[in-house]
Amino acid sequence: DAGVIQSPRHEVTEMGQEVTLRCKPISGHNSLFWYRQTMMRGLELLIYFNNNVPIDDSGMPEDRFSAKMPNASFSTLKIQPSEPRDSAVYFCASRLGREEQFFGPGTRLTVL
Amino acid sequence: GEDVEQSLFLSVREGDSSVINCTYTDSSSTYLYWYKQEPGAGLQLLTYIFSNMDMKQDQRLTVLLNKKDKHLSLRIADTQTGDSAIYFCAAGGSGGGADGLTFGKGTHLIIQP
Repeated sequence: DAGVIQSPRHEVTEMGQEVTLRCKPISGHNSLFWYRQTMMRGLELLIYFNNNVPIDDSGMPEDRFSAKMPNASFSTLKIQPSEPRDSAVYFCASRLGREEQFFGPGTRLTVL
Repeated sequence: GEDVEQSLFLSVREGDSSVINCTYTDSSSTYLYWYKQEPGAGLQLLTYIFSNMDMKQDQRLTVLLNKKDKHLSLRIADTQTGDSAIYFCAAGGSGGGADGLTFGKGTHLIIQP
């Protein structure tokens, strides 16, 4: 298995632009998690899905952030409009049941 | 909700033992994890311990859990340069279903030659 796949690996955009981050979980995993990592705040859980259904989105910072999981093999995290303080590394992770979470390589987002 | 705390930096000499400490607040956390993040990479599970255990050993790694004090530690014996990374403590499993984990901010392990 290729593991959790995230794209793009790096994204540089200007303030106000829409940003879409993509994640392909490991085949067969039924839970998907989006995290954000910054130096100041560490690793924060933004949202997680179970069987494609959002379970807890309390970590989503504000309405500019939205996440979808239209099917078991794909999820997106969208920021619209983006702001410089959104600059961070965004990780996607997937899991089967209560097993360990497998992390993707992350997307490094820079908002100018 | 759960809060996980760990120190930001630890510096050790190559060959010495490293001990990374972590505290958590939710006594009902069932699973306690240590993840390792190497530069430019995602997190990888290093080891874990269930809350009904107080120690787990896996080669150079020893995990100690003091459930009364809600304190978790990771000991790396004979620390090597390849152990240089950020180590995250994570707690979870107190709720039903596939809940997310609460991570500490990570401890940067720095190896001195």
